[in-house]
Amino acid sequence: QKEVEQNSGPLSVPEGAIASLNCTYSDRGSQSFFWYRQYSGKSPELIMSIYSNGDKEDGRFTAQLNKASQYVSLLIRDSQPSDSATYLCAVNTGNQFYFGTGTSLTVIP
Amino acid sequence: NAGVMQNPRHLVRRRGQEARLRCSPMKGHSHVYWYRQLPEEGLKFMVYLQKENIIDESGMPKERFSAEFPKEGPSILRIQQVVRGDSAAYFCASSPNRGSGNTIYFGEGSWLTVV
Repeated sequence: QKEVEQNSGPLSVPEGAIASLNCTYSDRGSQSFFWYRQYSGKSPELIMSIYSNGDKEDGRFTAQLNKASQYVSLLIRDSQPSDSATYLCAVNTGNQFYFGTGTSLTVIP
Repeated sequence: NAGVMQNPRHLVRRRGQEARLRCSPMKGHSHVYWYRQLPEEGLKFMVYLQKENIIDESGMPKERFSAEFPKEGPSILRIQQVVRGDSAAYFCASSPNRGSGNTIYFGEGSWLTVV
């Protein structure tokens, strides 16, 4: 079983809609959770970090964490074409940061 | 620029040559991670280093690959006798210290092409 799993997509949403990205992880001892955005040919860029159960909002982005279900999600409100990218879920377990394979998001104008 | 610095950004090597990739962590950070990303694939952990110490190298191929982070200077990922399958983007990331609650920040990456 992979440490971090994401649907690879592609996920397409119309401009202005809410994009919902999901991630599950296998290690119950994981403490820190992150969402990175990666444009094609570029490096991953940190969007959000979350450490406690519940929601954390930052502008148009909301991260949700449910440790009991081992589930992390990212909601992007009012999606823009510039949000089109691959979104990577990452989990910090011990010494390592494990990454999912990413979900490709396309926002259609 | 206080970000994670990687060089070279692009490197072309012939099969059998050596590739050296360098990474200077963000100011104030003493921990470095190396990841490899093959085309259309996810980030694969390779190695985690602290100054003068390899903390976790469980993701490193057993042969041809090595990494170091000396007391002075950048971290170096070395690939000997490169093969076409080594063509990938190599990302370095840094964090201030160890343990949960840390965040890692990525450099812009080094793209290796083996011809």
